Amino acid sequence: SQTIHQWPATLVQPVGSPLSLECTVEGTSNPNLYWYRQAAGRGLQLLFYSVGIGQISSEVPQNLSASRPQDRQFILSSKKLLLSDSGFYLCAWGGTGSYYFGPGTRLTVL
Amino acid sequence: AQSVTQLGSHVSVSEGALVLLRCNYSSSVPPYLFWYVQYPNQGLQLLLKYTSAATLVKGINDFEAEFKKSETSFHLTKPSAHMSDAAEYFCAVRRNTGNQFYFGTGTSLTVIP
Repeated sequence: SQTIHQWPATLVQPVGSPLSLECTVEGTSNPNLYWYRQAAGRGLQLLFYSVGIGQISSEVPQNLSASRPQDRQFILSSKKLLLSDSGFYLCAWGGTGSYYFGPGTRLTVL
Repeated sequence: AQSVTQLGSHVSVSEGALVLLRCNYSSSVPPYLFWYVQYPNQGLQLLLKYTSAATLVKGINDFEAEFKKSETSFHLTKPSAHMSDAAEYFCAVRRNTGNQFYFGTGTSLTVIP
């Protein structure tokens, strides 16, 4: 069966510091991968999605970026965090069927 | 553009009472529709999905949802609420072109003992 891993589970970072969140998928090949952010009271916002290695599409302009260096690895990054980047970050994979989500990373920017 | 609207950001029900969480979609063609549940500090778990087969869809934990094209609705129901049902529930639509999902803003369900 397919499994999604995300780390770290929680992260506290100062404003202006860099960020790297990692997501890996097991049990499937060539998955579509997605990064969502969940801010308090604001539902889920699609940030990036990828249909293959090196292929990244951005849904919203922001100071975040994503990369997919390997088939089952998806990384979310920032060079300088803002206070507004705080939230719960969820990685998901899916194809023509349902989405399956990882456990999430809780990011607090102070 | 496809989107979903969840009416009521907070719903409270008594234990044993009917659960009804509302979701309306906007789409020019019948979309794929989903309900997810999120427990605190966890990822989202698929409850059920509608993929243009039977209009009444049964999911896990006795939840079900009915696709009503005339009302553009996909409301989630459960006959009898349990304390363990307290969570955030999200309705989602999948775009007909591409595989991106778009989520509603969520409904927080509180179950009162």
